[in-house]
Amino acid sequence: QVQLVESGGDVVQPGRSLSLSCAASGLSFRDAGMHWVRQAPGKGLEWVAFISSGGSVQYYADYVRGRFTVSRDNSKNTLQLQMDSLRAEDTAFYYCAKDKWVRSLDYWGQGTLVTVSS
Amino acid sequence: EIVLTQSPATLSLSPGERATLSCRASQSVSSYLAWYQQKPGQAPRLLIYDASRRATDIPARFSGSGSGTDFTLTISSLDPEDFAVYYCQQRGNWPITFGQGTRLEIK
Repeated sequence: QVQLVESGGDVVQPGRSLSLSCAASGLSFRDAGMHWVRQAPGKGLEWVAFISSGGSVQYYADYVRGRFTVSRDNSKNTLQLQMDSLRAEDTAFYYCAKDKWVRSLDYWGQGTLVTVSS
Repeated sequence: EIVLTQSPATLSLSPGERATLSCRASQSVSSYLAWYQQKPGQAPRLLIYDASRRATDIPARFSGSGSGTDFTLTISSLDPEDFAVYYCQQRGNWPITFGQGTRLEIK
């Protein structure tokens, strides 16, 4: 079955950088668009970024554009999120999710917690 | 950006009752509307995509309807495991946006 496992969450100071990874198995990863979605503790879901199956197309939410970069390595079945210039408001669980027809997200990982605090 | 407004914020019902959750979009999203269920400590789970299509392994008591700006998620007869938070999500336009959620609680 499809498995998505995020890693890399940590406690970091404002202004610093952090990289998240998502390891995928049980699917044809090279054929799947992928998303990052975040959720601050006790709050709702916020979409962060999308990358197409081949990696040539990316979309970002306004609140992360220019600070976050989504990338993928189809040879290793991994998805990355490079987060720079982190802010306190970036504190959240970060989920990777598989895209379904560029319209919904059909499989989700369990999330990794990023805490931005001095 | 398309804003999704869910109502009610909280819905209190008993097992066996019918639940009706609403999601309204600030502009048309055609049928590109999905619904998710999230339980405490768990990742969201896709229930409905393209407004009315049930995702894999989702029970038939869950159904979705609507198009354009007004959408409904209906749970025909609540099972105890259905008490959770429900989110709608659109991809009528980028960026993808989610509603603020409806908490379905046991009365």
